[in-house]
Amino acid sequence: SAVISQKPSRDICQRGTSLTIQCQVDSQVTMMFWYRQQPGQSLTLIATANQGSEATYESGFVIDKFPISRPNLTFSTLTVSNMSPEDSSIYLCSARTGAGNTIYFGEGSWLTVV
Amino acid sequence: GQQLNQSPQSMFIQEGEDVSMNCTSSSIFNTWLWYKQDPGEGPVLLIALYKAGELTSNGRLTAQFGITRKDSFLNISASIPSDVGIYFCAGQGLWDSNYQLIWGAGTKLIIKP
Repeated sequence: SAVISQKPSRDICQRGTSLTIQCQVDSQVTMMFWYRQQPGQSLTLIATANQGSEATYESGFVIDKFPISRPNLTFSTLTVSNMSPEDSSIYLCSARTGAGNTIYFGEGSWLTVV
Repeated sequence: GQQLNQSPQSMFIQEGEDVSMNCTSSSIFNTWLWYKQDPGEGPVLLIALYKAGELTSNGRLTAQFGITRKDSFLNISASIPSDVGIYFCAGQGLWDSNYQLIWGAGTKLIIKP
């Protein structure tokens, strides 16, 4: 399994500001994913981040709004830019292990935009 | 796009009862994953299934990968208060080279006092 740490765990942000969420994995992983989960909903994939290449964004998500970095095999960041109240959500980092295609998740970062 | 149908949406049960939930799909999956999510936390992997027909247990939890590869179920035996939470199924197929997960909508488990 993989241990995935995210920070911040929670934050209250002002409208119009940007926040960067960090994700650290305790082992080297090829594929990392960023999800958004709005209250009472299932998970929605924002983008896939592979080391050494540009992140691949899902429909409805764009790089200008959610820039992602993946500088090495154990770390990634997601920035939520120019936040609005609609961006209030849990943002989850996940990583796929090398064997078994199993995906593990971080604890999540709960953002509230006021 | 690909979809998973997860049912039931919610369950109200008595402590000690057995619980069963399932997911079905119109597509074939190569992996089925079951997660539990507590409020304000990230999903925690409960059971991973990799082969059609596979039956795997994790304590009081048992999950099976359907023989058609289009469904999976999760059973919880003798439920206890800490079983409360939302259970998600997720499937993974080979149609996407990134092996992205397709998620069910979740089953909310509530234990009646």
